[in-house]
Amino acid sequence: EVQLVESGGGLVQPGGSLRLSCTGSGFTFSSHWMHWVRQAPGKGLLWVSYVNSDGSFTHYADSVKGRFTISRDNTKNTLYLQMNSLRAEDTAFYYCVQQGGGDSWGQGTLVSVSS
Amino acid sequence: QAVVTQEPSLTVSPGGTVTLTCGSSTGVVTSGHSPYWFQQKPGQAPRTLIYETTNRHSWAPARFSGSLLGGKAALTLSGAQPEDEADYYCLLLYSDGRPVFGGGTKLTVL
Repeated sequence: EVQLVESGGGLVQPGGSLRLSCTGSGFTFSSHWMHWVRQAPGKGLLWVSYVNSDGSFTHYADSVKGRFTISRDNTKNTLYLQMNSLRAEDTAFYYCVQQGGGDSWGQGTLVSVSS
Repeated sequence: QAVVTQEPSLTVSPGGTVTLTCGSSTGVVTSGHSPYWFQQKPGQAPRTLIYETTNRHSWAPARFSGSLLGGKAALTLSGAQPEDEADYYCLLLYSDGRPVFGGGTKLTVL
């Protein structure tokens, strides 16, 4: 069974940083592109970023480009999202998503940006 | 950036049929956009229902089907059940490499 478990969310002040992690199991992590998707409370889904299977190619939404960095460590079956210069509008649940196979989603981790 | 549009809300009777659509501000939606559909119930993470236009994931009941219809991607639910009440999101892939979600459709089974 595919499992994706996010961690690292929490409360941070505007301008601060957080690093999210997503550990995958039940599938060959290194074979899949991985995505981060976020959802502000009560709002819709917004694609944030993706990384290809070996980590050599990444892409970002305009709203996070230059502030967020996606990466992965295939030896640890883990996906990361380094978030810098956080803003109130970055407050959301952040989900990691496997592309291909089951296109599975994690349960999400909540990031709250507030003073 | 392209805008993906969905009906904000739809209602279907139990046992009835309803079609949700997913349009693009750039024009006709094609299989090249690899339309995806996701289901999200309150308090839960989304789940992928349909991928690449028509392919249903193993967990998804056969009453859900994906297609292209009238220049849009479509999700048809035939024989709606109370447990199908949820938010449904589509996603399209664009040539600049960026996926874009629609705003979601709140489906009520009543």
